[in-house]
Amino acid sequence: GAGVSQSPSNKVTEKGKDVELRCDPISGHTALYWYRQRLGQGLEFLIYFQGNSAPDKSGLPSDRFSAERTGESVSTLTIQRTQQEDSAVYLCASSLGFLSMNTEAFFGQGTRLTVV
Amino acid sequence: AQKVTQAQTEISVVEKEDVTLDCVYETRDTTYYLFWYKQPPSGELVFLIRRNSFDEQNEISGRYSWNFQKSTSSFNFTITASQVVDSAVYFCALISMDSNYQLIWGAGTKLIIKP
Repeated sequence: GAGVSQSPSNKVTEKGKDVELRCDPISGHTALYWYRQRLGQGLEFLIYFQGNSAPDKSGLPSDRFSAERTGESVSTLTIQRTQQEDSAVYLCASSLGFLSMNTEAFFGQGTRLTVV
Repeated sequence: AQKVTQAQTEISVVEKEDVTLDCVYETRDTTYYLFWYKQPPSGELVFLIRRNSFDEQNEISGRYSWNFQKSTSSFNFTITASQVVDSAVYFCALISMDSNYQLIWGAGTKLIIKP
């Protein structure tokens, strides 16, 4: 597609339920990143994929968070047993290759998650 | 350790005023890149500029200009003759080998341009 697409754009869920957030990167971009942005704060790195592999999962805040990517394309971020502190905007970005100093990341519009 | 500090949480100016957004960074690497991104109310982060550590030339793009000073570890962003459409949150970020090539983000500065 023309840009990074994320769905849903907004999600309200009850505490304790599981949610799945989807990211469609730019076609041909091998690297994909997930970030979390709490209200009024900067971006918090969660995980990145190079192809379908996630070499760095250190940013995932707890074992309730998981992510996968298939076909070097779509990625899904899953949050199990959601808690109120999970409320945030979840941003996905993709880049042509592994993010280096010569590449830039293109961001989606994010999924605003509200846990009530 | 790498760190990016944007000390200004929020700035509010009247349209047509000039405004400077500050960014101070820390890194032990001698080779690194600095970025500015704009996040309008729609939420999508928009890339503005990338600057490498070996190029200290200031850059101007229309009403936007960037002042990179290694001596003070700063990469400040100035908007000249601000417009309402410039209202957004602006993020400064750093990437280096020391950061494992992950973008290190500042907390952002919310810029409000009043008509």
